[in-house]
Amino acid sequence: DQQVKQNSPSLSVQEGRISILNCDYTNSMFDYFLWYKKYPAEGPTFLISISSIKDKNEDGRFTVFLNKSAKHLSLHIVPSQPGDSAVYFCAATGTASKLTFGTGTRLQVTL
Amino acid sequence: DVKVTQSSRYLVKRTGEKVFLECVQDMDHENMFWYRQDPGLGLRLIYFSYDVKMKEKGDIPEGYSVSREKKERFSLILESASTNQTSMYLCASTSGGLISNQPQHFGDGTRLSIL
Repeated sequence: DQQVKQNSPSLSVQEGRISILNCDYTNSMFDYFLWYKKYPAEGPTFLISISSIKDKNEDGRFTVFLNKSAKHLSLHIVPSQPGDSAVYFCAATGTASKLTFGTGTRLQVTL
Repeated sequence: DVKVTQSSRYLVKRTGEKVFLECVQDMDHENMFWYRQDPGLGLRLIYFSYDVKMKEKGDIPEGYSVSREKKERFSLILESASTNQTSMYLCASTSGGLISNQPQHFGDGTRLSIL
C-alpha cells in the first residue's frame, strides 16, 4: 500500500523554464512533508519541507505547495538549471520520526 | 556539516552468508535509519533506532536485524543473505528523538549484490 505516490517517473524540462513535480498521499495523519534530491551514486539530500499548518514554503528557486484537502503537494523549481537534473523524492511523516517516501521522479533539465 | 559514513560503497556476497553493513554518524544524532532503494519502489524503511540499544521495525524488516551499541554507529545485519536482498542500502541520521521533524542526513549508500 503506497501511502506516498509520485505518479510521474520522469520529467523533462528546458533550462530556464519551470519544473513542477507532484506528489499525492493517502494517510491523513501525515503532517510534515519533505522533498529530497538524489544524484547517482550519492545519498539523498534534503531540499525543502512544509508543515501541514502552511500551504506554501519558499527557498530561493524552490517552492513547495501543499493542498491538504486534496492530499497533494508539489515542488516548483524556477528557473530550472542543468544542475537540477536528479531524482526527486517526496516524503511524509506523522507523529514519529520515520519518513514514508514516494517512488521518485527523475528530472532532466535540457539545454 | 553532518557526515554519515557507510563502510562500503560496493559489496558482493553469496547466498546464505551473514552480511554486516555499517554506518557511522559524527553529529551525536539520536535517530538512525536503514533504508533500501529499489527501482520503481523508492526508499523503504527497514529498521530505525531512536536511542542506543533501541530499535523499531520499519516497513520491511523481514530478513534483517540491526544493532546499536553506540550512539554513533548503526549496523544492519542480513542473517542469511538471499538474492532478493540485492539492493542499494542507505543509512540516515537525524536529531530530536522519537518525535522529530528534523531532516534526515543520508550516507552515500552501499550497493549490495547477492549472488
